[in-house]
Amino acid sequence: EAGVAQSPRYKIIEKRQSVAFWCNPISGHATLYWYQQILGQGPKLLIQFQNNGVVDDSQLPKDRFSAERLKGVDSTLKIQPAKLEDSAVYLCASGGGALSNEQFFGPGTRLTVL
Amino acid sequence: KQEVTQIPAALSVPEGENLVLNCSFTDSAIYNLQWFRQDPGKGLTSLLLIQSSQREQTSGRLNASLDKSSGRSTLYIAASQPGDSATYLCAVRAGGTSYGKLTFGQGTILTVHP
Repeated sequence: EAGVAQSPRYKIIEKRQSVAFWCNPISGHATLYWYQQILGQGPKLLIQFQNNGVVDDSQLPKDRFSAERLKGVDSTLKIQPAKLEDSAVYLCASGGGALSNEQFFGPGTRLTVL
Repeated sequence: KQEVTQIPAALSVPEGENLVLNCSFTDSAIYNLQWFRQDPGKGLTSLLLIQSSQREQTSGRLNASLDKSSGRSTLYIAASQPGDSATYLCAVRAGGTSYGKLTFGQGTILTVHP
């Protein structure tokens, strides 16, 4: 089966600009996750969707970050305005298929904020 | 709040050695524990998943154990190879559901030299 797709793979922006990332989960997976991974650290959950509803967004900086999952499939994560400390890899994962305990990760988007 | 710690932060070994990576977590009320591998610039690949009721899982040269009561897991790699060089991440899933939040450790950077 095809894996989790993310785009773009790399993005460089200046602080205060806005940016958006896109994720297409594995077909049939009900759960979608966005993680932020700062260099040298493990991934940190930003938001979790179950179908198109939000299950957990407790660690999402809602003053600048937003995410949506229209029709329970694709998802976009937006940052507006970006700060220097947002430089990180943004990972999308999906789960809830036949092996419902596992999460499958996309390749990530590496964001550099200058 | 769940906290996950991995020791050591980095490990360098000669090819052929057997090695152990350690993971500890503060809240034993977990649903499962997962070990991932991350290559530079890539997403995460799931290696082993241990349910909270299990003690260990094996896949090829990898063996993961879980002692939920003491909040510890180990990943054992037998006969290490240069291709095993990567960052290894441990993650625990919050108890209750199969799609609960994953909390990651900071990872162990493994280098296996020929």
